[in-house]
Amino acid sequence: GAVVSQHPSWVICKSGTSVKIECRSLDFQATTMFWYRQFPKQSLMLMATSNEGSKATYEQGVEKDKFLINHASLTLSTLTVTSAHPEDSSFYICSASNQPQHFGDGTRLSIL
Amino acid sequence: QKEVEQDPGPLSVPEGAIVSLNCTYSNSAFQYFMWYRQYSRKGPELLMYTYSSGNKEDGRFTAQVDKSSKYISLFIRDSQPSDSATYLCAMSAMIHDMRFGAGTRLTVKP
Repeated sequence: GAVVSQHPSWVICKSGTSVKIECRSLDFQATTMFWYRQFPKQSLMLMATSNEGSKATYEQGVEKDKFLINHASLTLSTLTVTSAHPEDSSFYICSASNQPQHFGDGTRLSIL
Repeated sequence: QKEVEQDPGPLSVPEGAIVSLNCTYSNSAFQYFMWYRQYSRKGPELLMYTYSSGNKEDGRFTAQVDKSSKYISLFIRDSQPSDSATYLCAMSAMIHDMRFGAGTRLTVKP
């Protein structure tokens, strides 16, 4: 099956720090990748759709200046949480679409 | 009304039992149907993928889609403790607009 790699798997940092999360599709080219956020015991919440070579499409209520997405190649999308605060602590998961979507293993972000 | 409804459980069964997981939906345009398994602190793993109506079997797993009733099911035969996880149904009309259920937490007790 398709493989999506996400890095890092866990990051702890101080409030005000910017954190970059990488999502790579290892065995197929993904023109579209997705970024989700998941709170404990809840389902996935789509944050944005990342399109290679163009601007990301953000869901309503997601601050695009807070969550910067770059999809510079067909195998790599990055999510940067800028000036992170404790309320940004969550589980962030990316996926790449090879019909259907295949997910990375997620990044646990803890902001102190 | 949510587009996709899934009972969050939790559901607890003894080892060896047949597990039935279900989702209902309201959008008749949905034509791609998926089941994902998610272990704690991991990303969702694709279990079953079905296009349109019908049944699909893969080992101990069987997925059923009834578009006339807007109802999908996942059956797990001979359930094992390693099947303990959260199961998410997902569906879409086009390739990229996937909608998820809330997920059902399953525990299979030895």
